Amino acid sequence: NAGVTQTPKFRVLKTGQSMTLLCAQDMNHEYMYWYRQDPGMGLRLIHYSVGEGTTAKGEVPDGYNVSRLKKQNFLLGLESAAPSQTSVYFCASSYGDSSYEQYFGPGTRLTVT
Amino acid sequence: RKEVEQDPGPFNVPEGATVAFNCTYSNSASQSFFWYRQDCRKEPKLLMSVYSSGNEDGRFTAQLNRASQYISLLIRDSKLSDSATYLCVVNMTALIFGKGTTLSVSS
Repeated sequence: NAGVTQTPKFRVLKTGQSMTLLCAQDMNHEYMYWYRQDPGMGLRLIHYSVGEGTTAKGEVPDGYNVSRLKKQNFLLGLESAAPSQTSVYFCASSYGDSSYEQYFGPGTRLTVT
Repeated sequence: RKEVEQDPGPFNVPEGATVAFNCTYSNSASQSFFWYRQDCRKEPKLLMSVYSSGNEDGRFTAQLNRASQYISLLIRDSKLSDSATYLCVVNMTALIFGKGTTLSVSS
């Protein structure tokens, strides 16, 4: 039981490049989330999903897109990376809504130069 | 207006000390409350939920004061392994994370 995994662990992008971050969970959770964590800031919600085929915007969705084609996977896309998107990205999943415990992946450290 | 505020610390305490962290939240409609723990360069993990009546889990005690919109975490008999950042988290349809309070326990 791997829990929540994220791919890749590290990535360096040039401004304007695109990439996709992959999150996978093996706990059969309905809810999945993408957060970013920046120095001096709390974790901020980018997008979330309440089930396969559904997505919704969080607090800071601009510049990101997501897809949940399979229940176990939640993808975060950056179409045209900007230096302001340099951050640590965490994926999380939960059995139910945000009143339930969220299980986090190990994070992806992204640098945009 | 900051929604969840915590003293960032750091709190530097010796082993065996008792330490308390406080957190305030701005939205009185907040529904549930948590403390998460985050080790350096790792993911956050749930430490404990916070219930209206207060709750205890071993050396950890969490309390909630809805009238004052205030949450606390008390750690007794601190261990070296308690060194981490403690995140106060409030649920208002989505989780709102505080910036965290850093604890360093030394021998």
